[in-house]
Amino acid sequence: AQSVTQLDSQVPVFEEAPVELRCNYSSSVSVYLFWYVQYPNQGLQLLLKYLSGSTLVKGINGFEAEFNKSQTSFHLRKPSVHISDTAEYFCAVSRGYSTLTFGKGTMLLVSP
Amino acid sequence: DSGVTQTPKHLITATGQRVTLRCSPRSGDLSVYWYQQSLDQGLQFLIQYYNGEERAKGNILERFSAQQFPDLHSELNLSSLELGDSALYFCASSSGRQGATGANVLTFGAGSRLTVL
Repeated sequence: AQSVTQLDSQVPVFEEAPVELRCNYSSSVSVYLFWYVQYPNQGLQLLLKYLSGSTLVKGINGFEAEFNKSQTSFHLRKPSVHISDTAEYFCAVSRGYSTLTFGKGTMLLVSP
Repeated sequence: DSGVTQTPKHLITATGQRVTLRCSPRSGDLSVYWYQQSLDQGLQFLIQYYNGEERAKGNILERFSAQQFPDLHSELNLSSLELGDSALYFCASSSGRQGATGANVLTFGAGSRLTVL
């Protein structure tokens, strides 16, 4: 079975600062990796996904993530955040057509 | 709009009652998933249906049941409700078909917020 650990429950940053949200996964086989974002009172929206190929994945809203197989990590980064990026971010893993297993989420709090 | 429609958006009910949550998947998607999101448990997978048949089961209580109908919409039935069932219930859909990558990309609805008093 696979599992996901999001190391930070909350990350406060100032507007225009860079941010990294950390995600580690455990699985004995190859997996697919995802980041979803949940804005207040909304559903989950797919930010980006790693399925195969280049380990650097670019997503929507200027986010990117790097798949590191040796570190079993899939950290999410943005070089300059905006107030509107304030949301909860979920890392998820799946294997083949299995269901997604989510991490506990990281609340990104962007202040002016 | 993700294309996945969930109703109702909000629901308040009492302990011991029964409720039904409804989900219409994105056009063309055959798989429907139900997830429960609560503060203490996070996002928990409940159950998956593919083209009308149950495909995978997660942490779904015996008091809960679901089905997917021929038109592919799905319903999640929650009975003998307890205070601890208060949560946000998400439906997600995917094509369920074997793609080039073999991956399962889920599209989520906006959720149904259940409050049990």
